[in-house]
Amino acid sequence: DSGVTQTPKHLITATGQRVTLRCSPRSGDLSVYWYQQSLDQGLQFLIQYYNGEERAKGNILERFSAQQFPDLHSELNLSSLELGDSALYFCASSFEARGTYEQYFGPGTRLTVT
Amino acid sequence: TQLLEQSPQFLSIQEGENLTVYCNSSSVFSSLQWYRQEPGEGPVLLVTVVTGGEVKKLKRLTFQFGDARKDSSLHITAAQPGDTGLYLCAGARPNNDMRFGAGTRLTVKP
Repeated sequence: DSGVTQTPKHLITATGQRVTLRCSPRSGDLSVYWYQQSLDQGLQFLIQYYNGEERAKGNILERFSAQQFPDLHSELNLSSLELGDSALYFCASSFEARGTYEQYFGPGTRLTVT
Repeated sequence: TQLLEQSPQFLSIQEGENLTVYCNSSSVFSSLQWYRQEPGEGPVLLVTVVTGGEVKKLKRLTFQFGDARKDSSLHITAAQPGDTGLYLCAGARPNNDMRFGAGTRLTVKP
């Protein structure tokens, strides 16, 4: 158990819909990262938040957005869903105090768009 | 194009064999991590290397960080079926940017 929690574990929805994925980081970690993993794309970095502020952006679509709240939990919002958005979405957290950026991953949310 | 290139992409070996997988880049990293991921689960951190030339051992796994901090290798001795999984390297660049390689998918047959 990494200490990172993600909900829901599975999500099935239709094209055009909007969903919200939730992540709670390990106790004490200030940074949250979101990743998308599909069979043909590998682990793709989407976005990082540090202590409530956006720190880095990766291959995140404009239809996707995220935020980190004062209690440090984070939400990833996916809108106007397409079939190609079906994937595993992982959240990871890190402390970063030593500059090593070790990340601890949650169990993931499996999103299926039909 | 991946910032971190991992090779080989796939590796299938018999139990008891040794293997080495590689993680290469043209960029310098302030640290590099290796993760192992099983199907349907999140990657699990194995090790972090920070200093150029650093070697770390974790039971049958030996990790090395290149002198120039641009590449790394993972050597497994006497592989076991339990070592099967996707091995990912991830590098932290000086601007705090983290990037993952595409991974090496290892299968160890009994």
